Amino acid sequence: KQEVTQIPAALSVPEGENLVLNCSFTDSAIYNLQWFRQDPGKGLTSLLLIQSSQREQTSGRLNASLDKSSGRSTLYIAASQPGDSATYLCAVLGSSGGGADGLTFGKGTHLIIQP
Amino acid sequence: ETGVTQSPTHLIKTRGQQVTLRCSSQSGHNTVSWYQQALGQGPQFIFQYYREEENGRGNFPPRFSGLQFPNYSSELNVNALELDDSALYLCAEGLAGGDTQYFGPGTRLTVL
Repeated sequence: KQEVTQIPAALSVPEGENLVLNCSFTDSAIYNLQWFRQDPGKGLTSLLLIQSSQREQTSGRLNASLDKSSGRSTLYIAASQPGDSATYLCAVLGSSGGGADGLTFGKGTHLIIQP
Repeated sequence: ETGVTQSPTHLIKTRGQQVTLRCSSQSGHNTVSWYQQALGQGPQFIFQYYREEENGRGNFPPRFSGLQFPNYSSELNVNALELDDSALYLCAEGLAGGDTQYFGPGTRLTVL
């Protein structure tokens, strides 16, 4: 059974810092990995999706890497801003693809950027 | 903005009651998945529908059931509500093939 762990559970940093969020998964047979953002009481916004054959994806100040063999992914946020404050969730899709097994999520990292 | 909407936004029920949650789809998204997110936890996969049939289910009992309609909208039905069913229920839509899933804003269910 796939398990996803996110470290740290919570993080508070001053505005402007670069930061790294970590995600690990136990079964390396994945189809893809996604990073989501969730604001309090809201739904999920997809930030980056990395296919199993890819090593990284970038969008603006965000960069996500994937090391499938070691079961790890990182989300790098450059020049953090107060608007980045949210919970960041990592999720993997099993290698059968198609979504029929559903995404397996970590518990998230609760990020606070201090002005 | 994904275009995925869910109703109602909030709902309060008592133990033993039944509830129906709804999700509307963007045209062209042919899969819909439902997730349960308890407070402080990541979402957990309930099931997925494709072409109006359930084609995958997580570790949830049969009292969680669903429907997908030809216009791509979807319902989640939960019978015999329990206190532990209190959670944020999220629907996610996408295309068969495992690409990006688009999540709705969720329905917050409270069971008293």
